[in-house]
Amino acid sequence: AQSVAQPEDQVNVAEGNPLTVKCTYSVSGNPYLFWYVQYPNRGLQFLLKYITGDNLVKGSYGFEAEFNKSQTSFHLKKPSALVSDSALYFCAVRDADSSYKLIFGSGTRLLVRP
Amino acid sequence: SAVISQKPSRDICQRGTSLTIQCQVDSQVTMMFWYRQQPGQSLTLIATANQGSEATYESGFVIDKFPISRPNLTFSTLTVSNMSPEDSSIYLCSVTPGQGVSGANVLTFGAGSRLTVL
Repeated sequence: AQSVAQPEDQVNVAEGNPLTVKCTYSVSGNPYLFWYVQYPNRGLQFLLKYITGDNLVKGSYGFEAEFNKSQTSFHLKKPSALVSDSALYFCAVRDADSSYKLIFGSGTRLLVRP
Repeated sequence: SAVISQKPSRDICQRGTSLTIQCQVDSQVTMMFWYRQQPGQSLTLIATANQGSEATYESGFVIDKFPISRPNLTFSTLTVSNMSPEDSSIYLCSVTPGQGVSGANVLTFGAGSRLTVL
């Protein structure tokens, strides 16, 4: 069965420092991987996706993610964190049995302190 | 990407009552989905709303509890029936344009409807 794991409930970083939000996956076949962000009282917003191609994927708001097949990971990164990046981040994988169904991780709360 | 409006944005409901959530999209979309986000938890797909046919429900969700309508390609409703406190959640509508269309595989979400059942 497809699954994603986000091992950290919360990540704390200082503004200006690099940040990493971890995600590992388990899929049968080629993975379709996604990152979404949820700001308070708002719906999820798409950040980036990996379907095929370069292992380093660039997305919105300066975020990027690195696909690592050998480690089955898709960690979200940003070189310099902003206080406004504080939000809930979800990693997701597309279900192998569906063209559109996404299976979401448990979410990681990112807190960027000034 | 599509713009989604959900109503209500939040509501407080009494046990045993039902509430209908509306999802309006500013463009025609093939696929519409309803997700539930329970407090402090991740998103779980409830069902896929199909235009012109019955919704397809995920394991653990049934039509009697979560009836869905999809009268056209821009609108859907989700009803939470006979509510209990365990139904307190954020309910999110999401869409994707469909196979072969730019942006396929990417879901766009509404802001969600936060229901509290007393």
